[in-house]
Formats: sequence, C-alpha cells, structure tokens
Amino acid sequence: DVKVTQSSRYLVKRTGEKVFLECVQDMDHENMFWYRQDPGLGLRLIYFSYDVKMKEKGDIPEGYSVSREKKERFSLILESASTNQTSMYLCASSFLERGSNEKLFFGSGTQLSVL
Amino acid sequence: AQKITQTQPGMFVQEKEAVTLDCTYDTSDPSYGLFWYKQPSSGEMIFLIYQGSYDQQNATEGRYSLNFQKARKSANLVISASQLGDSAMYFCAMRESYGQNFVFGPGTRLSVLP
Repeated sequence: DVKVTQSSRYLVKRTGEKVFLECVQDMDHENMFWYRQDPGLGLRLIYFSYDVKMKEKGDIPEGYSVSREKKERFSLILESASTNQTSMYLCASSFLERGSNEKLFFGSGTQLSVL
Repeated sequence: AQKITQTQPGMFVQEKEAVTLDCTYDTSDPSYGLFWYKQPSSGEMIFLIYQGSYDQQNATEGRYSLNFQKARKSANLVISASQLGDSAMYFCAMRESYGQNFVFGPGTRLSVLP
C-alpha cells in the first residue's frame, strides 16, 4: 500500500515562528508536491520537486521554502509564520512520467493554525 | 485564468439517486489527463477516476463514470446510486503533458440525503 505520511495532523504556531512540515513517501516517487487547501479555492501548488535537491516554484511560493535532501522526504518551511498562512497543507507524490496517467498520492494533511 | 472550473459549490442528492458533478477545463495541450478526487471529512484525498485526452471511451470505475466531452472541454463526474458515504468534497484536476503539476478546481461539496 502506497503511503505518504505527514508528520503532524494538527499544528498550532505563533506569528513569526519558523515552521517545518515534513512529508515522507515510501513509493520511490520522483515527484513530490506541497499544496495548500483553502475553502472555495481548491488546492493551490506551493512548491514541487522532481528530484533530490531540485525544486520548482508553484503558484503561491511566497513566504515558503522547501528542502529535498533525500528522495523520500520533502519538507515545507515557513520561515516566519503569518496568520494568512493558516490553512490545510497537503503533501503529494507521483512518478515522473510526462503525459501519463500516473496519479497523485496524498498524505492526510496538516491543519496549521497561526495565532 | 482558471484552468479548472467547478461551478457547483454545493450539491444535494437523495440516497440511491444518480448525481452529476460538473467540471470544465482549459488547455491548449493536446495531451492531458483529467482526474477526480474525493475528500471526506477526515481530510484524505482519494483518487476516483482518470480520463486521458486521447481515450475514445468514457472512463468508468464501479459507480463512478466520467462524461468526457472533449470539444466542450468538460469532464463531468457521474455517481450512480448515491450512498451516504459519498458525502464529501469532490475535486476535478488536470495534468498537462508538458508539466508535472496537477491543477485543481475549487471543489464541489456533495451531501447525500437519507
């Protein structure tokens, strides 16, 4: 069974704190993604990575950074958390195949609240 | 411009009836894939069904089918014989051939009434 594991289900942080969200997958997927989900907006891509140490900005990268030191792990970093980063964060992974039917596998999400 | 449009923020359906969730998309790539995901209140995203742009037939997976109308750029999800457990958010997504990214619509919240 494919597993994408996010380290925390719920997280509460204070404004200005540095926040790390961790994601690990066990399917040897090349691609890993971080999305945030807000009501009425669906899922918006923050960053993705198609290989170790590679990263690409998504649609809303401002205020975030990422790290991929190992193939199975993709970390999302909020350098200085702000209240507008309160959201559900979803990690996902997939194989690297262009134009294929390879679907995304998701973690169970982290609900982050920044006070 | 929004690439995936889901015009129904919320839908209600009676148990055992069929329901159609709308999805329209926008792309100039001739090769793309369309996906539907279900997100129950527990939060996990569950893959339901896939349709490739070159597939001749509409995709089906059990009670789920995809009404693919390529010329109209629509990929509506049809759920037959609705069950209470079908109550969830439903997201339509697209993956174009030249990118690795999946683009999601805003979602439709389906409520199945007993």
